[in-house]
Amino acid sequence: EVQLEESGGGLVQPGGSLTLSCAGSGFSFSDHYMDWVRQAPGKGLEWVGRSRNKGNRYTTEYAASVKGRFTISREESKNSVILQMSSLRTDDTAVYYCVRDGYYGGLWLWDYWGQGTPVTVSS
Amino acid sequence: DIQMTQSPSSLSASVGDRVTITCRASQGINNYLAWFQQKPGKAPKSLIYAASTLQSGVPSRFSGSGSGTDFTLTISSLQPEDSATYYCQHYKGFPLTFGGGTRVEIK
Repeated sequence: EVQLEESGGGLVQPGGSLTLSCAGSGFSFSDHYMDWVRQAPGKGLEWVGRSRNKGNRYTTEYAASVKGRFTISREESKNSVILQMSSLRTDDTAVYYCVRDGYYGGLWLWDYWGQGTPVTVSS
Repeated sequence: DIQMTQSPSSLSASVGDRVTITCRASQGINNYLAWFQQKPGKAPKSLIYAASTLQSGVPSRFSGSGSGTDFTLTISSLQPEDSATYYCQHYKGFPLTFGGGTRVEIK
């Protein structure tokens, strides 16, 4: 059974840093792309970024709103994808979800979601 | 960036009704469109990809159609457990973007 479990959320002051982790199980973690998606309170969904698989050297993509402030990496030994967030702003307040990409018909598409971890940026 | 526009933003329908949600892309995206369902306080769930292909385990009352810029999600016979917010999302390049969501309520 595919499972994704995020951790690391919490309260942080504006300008501060926070690191989120998403541990995957039930599948070959290094073979899959992984994405981060966030949802501000009462708002819709926003894509944050992507980590491609080991075969693609874990290269990354980012949304413009987080580029240069957020970094996505992998921790192979823990089957985890990491979201390092710095220079946090109040509008980064959201629930952060990690999402697994499955390979369907030649494309990487989202199929499994974690339960999310909340991040609050406030003084 | 490709903008995704959903309509309506909310609807209320009775059990057994046929419900249709529309999603429009600001430029052609072939069939690179997915639909997600999110219940209050829960993570989204993947429903459909490639505009019309159901994810494993999704009930057959859900269907998707469209190509290019105009897409629809249809629930053929609304059930109480379908009360949720539905989002469309394109995956034709970065950034991946979502529609604003459609809240479906049961009368």
